[in-house]
Amino acid sequence: EDKVVQSPLSLVVHEGDTVTLNCSYEVTNFRSLLWYKQEKKAPTFLFMLTSSGIEKKSGRLSSILDKKELFSILNITATQTGDSAVYLCAGYGGATNKLIFGTGTLLAVQP
Amino acid sequence: KAGVTQTPRYLIKTRGQQVTLSCSPISGHRSVSWYQQTPGQGLQFLFEYFSETQRNKGNFPGRFSGRQFSNSRSEMNVSTLELGDSALYLCASSSLGLAGEETQYFGPGTRLLVL
Repeated sequence: EDKVVQSPLSLVVHEGDTVTLNCSYEVTNFRSLLWYKQEKKAPTFLFMLTSSGIEKKSGRLSSILDKKELFSILNITATQTGDSAVYLCAGYGGATNKLIFGTGTLLAVQP
Repeated sequence: KAGVTQTPRYLIKTRGQQVTLSCSPISGHRSVSWYQQTPGQGLQFLFEYFSETQRNKGNFPGRFSGRQFSNSRSEMNVSTLELGDSALYLCASSSLGLAGEETQYFGPGTRLLVL
């Protein structure tokens, strides 16, 4: 069965810290891995990763995919309180070409 | 450009009833995907419509159905509601859909409560 597992489930850090969120996947016919940020509303897209070893960066956020070991990480440097959210990882693929989401990592950044 | 809109935003129904949710994608987007989000199961894919055709489907019972109109607006229907259908229903739109490996933009969701 296709699945995506995220860790840790939750994380509390202080402003300025660097965090690493993990996502491992078992998705048949894997095509891509996506990261989303969800605050009190709908998820907002962060990254789509299709190739191993190529880091994608957007400001203080970066992500990389390892297709051999079947995982991805999302790094956030110099965290701010506005980074507090649930971070969702999803694998695209499966028998019917769909997005399979992990349950998310709840990140709380304290001032 | 206006974002993805969903109506209604909140809905309360009783068991056994049916419900129809609506999603208007971003102008020019032809793909609409639907998701169910619950605290226990997280975000789960329901189905994707592209140019009025259901292109992909998740593992949900037949009580969950949808359609897409020629203007790309999509509706999702749930019949014979069960308590477990209480959830946030999200739709997302994109130009090419998941197969195009591009960004999906989510709407604000419809929160459904089944009593």
